[in-house]
Amino acid sequence: QVQLVQSGAEVKEPGASVKVSCKASGYTFTDYYIHWVRQAPGQGLEWMGRINPNTGGTKYEQKLQGRVTMTRDTPISTAYMELSSLRSDDTAVYYCARGQYIHNYVGDWGQGTLVTVSS
Amino acid sequence: QSALTQPASVSGSPGQSITISCTGTSSDIGNYKYVSWYQQHPGKAPKLMIYDVSNRPSGVSDRFSGSKSGNTASLTISGLQAEDEADYYCNSYTSSNTWVFGGGTKLTVL
Repeated sequence: QVQLVQSGAEVKEPGASVKVSCKASGYTFTDYYIHWVRQAPGQGLEWMGRINPNTGGTKYEQKLQGRVTMTRDTPISTAYMELSSLRSDDTAVYYCARGQYIHNYVGDWGQGTLVTVSS
Repeated sequence: QSALTQPASVSGSPGQSITISCTGTSSDIGNYKYVSWYQQHPGKAPKLMIYDVSNRPSGVSDRFSGSKSGNTASLTISGLQAEDEADYYCNSYTSSNTWVFGGGTKLTVL
């Protein structure tokens, strides 16, 4: 069955960077987008961007441009999301999710990774 | 890209029907058939309930239905059950080739 397993919780100081991983299994990694979505405590979902694991091509939410980088390592079926210059309002649960290239929805989600930004 | 507009909360009694609205613009909902809805229980990852405005994934109850008119999409849940109590989020593709979520609606089953 499809599984997306994310790395563990992180605590970072303001100004630092964090890199979250998302290991895929149960399907051909290069056949689906990986999207990243975050959710601040008690808040709604926010789409951050997506990566095409086949080409490495990315599309980011404009407000995160310059601070977010999405990459992948296809031999180990793992996608990464790195966020730099962290601020307190980046504290959130970060999810990876799988979506088909020809559709605009995601059907499978990782378990989420809590990133806490605090001094 | 501004978030889509959803009511903060809705409620209904078991067996009743409720509708959650999701209002966007001509740059997202109004111009594309790519509206999806997600259910999220506390502490859990979201779950896809509706895609492409009105399609249900396999395994999702037919009590859930979706529609769209102009810049507004809607999710209707009929025959409310206690297990439907959750947060619901709409999502749309945009003219910038990005996605945007709604602010979320908390459904309370009385």
